[in-house]
Amino acid sequence: EADIYQTPRYLVIGTGKKITLECSQTMGHDKMYWYQQDPGMELHLIHYSYGVNSTEKGDLSSESTVSRIRTEHFPLTLESARPSHTSQYLCASRWGGVNTEAFFGQGTRLTVV
Amino acid sequence: QQPVQSPQAVILREGEDAVINCSSSKALYSVHWYRQKHGEAPVFLMILLKGGEQKGHEKISASFNEKKQQSSLYLTASQLSYSGTYFCGTGDPDDYKLSFGAGTTVTVRA
Repeated sequence: EADIYQTPRYLVIGTGKKITLECSQTMGHDKMYWYQQDPGMELHLIHYSYGVNSTEKGDLSSESTVSRIRTEHFPLTLESARPSHTSQYLCASRWGGVNTEAFFGQGTRLTVV
Repeated sequence: QQPVQSPQAVILREGEDAVINCSSSKALYSVHWYRQKHGEAPVFLMILLKGGEQKGHEKISASFNEKKQQSSLYLTASQLSYSGTYFCGTGDPDDYKLSFGAGTTVTVRA
């Protein structure tokens, strides 16, 4: 069973607020990822990290930022939320190279009003 | 560069077969397949590696053509539980990216 947790599961917040979506994993995985997914749509990679103090932008440009200060923790921050940020955000992690499976968290469904 | 999947959607009756294709404009080192059911997180099905190695699900098979930079997922004798959206992902060994295609929604009806 995957040990990767995202909080909160659901968040409704007003425009202009700063928010942080939390992602933690207890598997010791070095690679972590954030994906943005609208309902029933594709998974867009927005950020990833291959270890502590390493972060990279993904395929889809995003106004969010990430940090990786500890192996197990990969939070995503939006400094000023806008309605266009309304989406589901999925966190994933895996160990090692390209031949290892990724484990996904349950996601945070964000609504900005 | 994200992989390209086809078809976008497929509707099957129980017991029918389907093929989902995944292609990339870049050289493929590995292809991942995941299935996501409505309201749930994607779940790992299998990984296909350059050289033919395969790891994953017992009842779903896949192929990997390195030369054509393509992979195909075969749903054989489909069951109701096969319904969901299938994503292929490609791994980049140079920077550890894991990018996914747009997904193929499979609906299996009784």
